[in-house]
Amino acid sequence: SQQGEEDPQALSIQEGENATMNCSYKTSINNLQWYRQNSGRGLVHLILIRSNEREKHSGRLRVTLDTSKKSSSLLITASRAADTASYFCATDARSQGNLIFGKGTKLSVKP
Amino acid sequence: DGGITQSPKYLFRKEGQNVTLSCEQNLNHDAMYWYRQDPGQGLRLIYYSQIVNDFQKGDIAEGYSVSREKKESFPLTVTSAQKNPTAFYLCASKPVANTEAFFGQGTRLTVV
Repeated sequence: SQQGEEDPQALSIQEGENATMNCSYKTSINNLQWYRQNSGRGLVHLILIRSNEREKHSGRLRVTLDTSKKSSSLLITASRAADTASYFCATDARSQGNLIFGKGTKLSVKP
Repeated sequence: DGGITQSPKYLFRKEGQNVTLSCEQNLNHDAMYWYRQDPGQGLRLIYYSQIVNDFQKGDIAEGYSVSREKKESFPLTVTSAQKNPTAFYLCASKPVANTEAFFGQGTRLTVV
């Protein structure tokens, strides 16, 4: 399977704390993307980082990419209860056209 | 309103039956994808299509079939050969490489 891995599988924090999730993948990529899923719903795109980028910010989100280690991290700063969801990384692989997702991190932010 | 629509939201199937899940998008996207999600698990790729009349198998294509006769439509048939079809099915589309994907709201299939 080409599926990547996120860790931790589950993360529980207090409101106001930062949350860090990691993603490892297996193939050469065009880009890596992070998505959020509320329970029983479709996924919503958060941020895309290209293979020639090392860091990207969007609001309270910070994403890093290390292509030599085939890994990425997502940092959510000053978390809120509304950030409670599952977060997935996805790799857009070179020369294949598919979009492969990891197993996700379930984040719980307690008020 | 542009978007990607999956129907039905809930689907019940008797063992041995084929069922077809609908996915329609009016975003003019070239690529479309079908994923399966089991409880507490990630998304596994079933099939994907980058252009009309062409599609490729993903990691778990056995027991499933697709067609891409029109750009806006990518229906998934769950056949009787799929031994454990109960799952949440997600359809996605995206325009070209290096862009984000847009997801439908999913179809929850239950075998009764």
